[in-house]
Amino acid sequence: SAVISQKPSRDICQRGTSLTIQCQVDSQVTMMFWYRQQPGQSLTLIATANQGSEATYESGFVIDKFPISRPNLTFSTLTVSNMSPEDSSIYLCSVELGSNQPQHFGDGTRLSIL
Amino acid sequence: GQQLNQSPQSMFIQEGEDVSMNCTSSSIFNTWLWYKQDPGEGPVLLIALYKAGELTSNGRLTAQFGITRKDSFLNISASIPSDVGIYFCAGHPKRGQNFVFGPGTRLSVLP
Repeated sequence: SAVISQKPSRDICQRGTSLTIQCQVDSQVTMMFWYRQQPGQSLTLIATANQGSEATYESGFVIDKFPISRPNLTFSTLTVSNMSPEDSSIYLCSVELGSNQPQHFGDGTRLSIL
Repeated sequence: GQQLNQSPQSMFIQEGEDVSMNCTSSSIFNTWLWYKQDPGEGPVLLIALYKAGELTSNGRLTAQFGITRKDSFLNISASIPSDVGIYFCAGHPKRGQNFVFGPGTRLSVLP
């Protein structure tokens, strides 16, 4: 498996602000993903972070709200823009070590918006 | 899109008891995964299944890929307090598609 580090681990933010979450992997990986886990819920895929090109967003998620960067094969960021209380969730980064292999997750970023 | 159902939604068991939970879909999946999530942490992979009928163990955990390719179960034998957590199944519909996660089974172990 891989060691996946997310920063920050938690934050409390004001409505209308933006927060950028970082995900660092200890090895080069082709596929990186960003998920949202709302309180008491399962994981919902936000987007696939593509190295060198724009992220691929799932239905219901847009680039203006969740811009993603993937500058290299070990790092990605997710920004939650213009936050509202409905954005209070856990945001998780995951990686696939090989094609169609299981995903491995970071510990998540717990975000609360006041 | 494809959805996964997990049952039971939650369960309370006595320490030492065996546990069984399952995951079903209305469509075929090519891969089944089982994850456990502890409070404050990300999901951790427990078992991966790749072939219909496959039965795989990981310590006290055993999981099977259903022969219809529409279900999977996870058994935990002789439960202990650290088994507490949320167990998610995930399925891979077919090559090139993203994994789909079930809603989870919340397990509580009473001493």
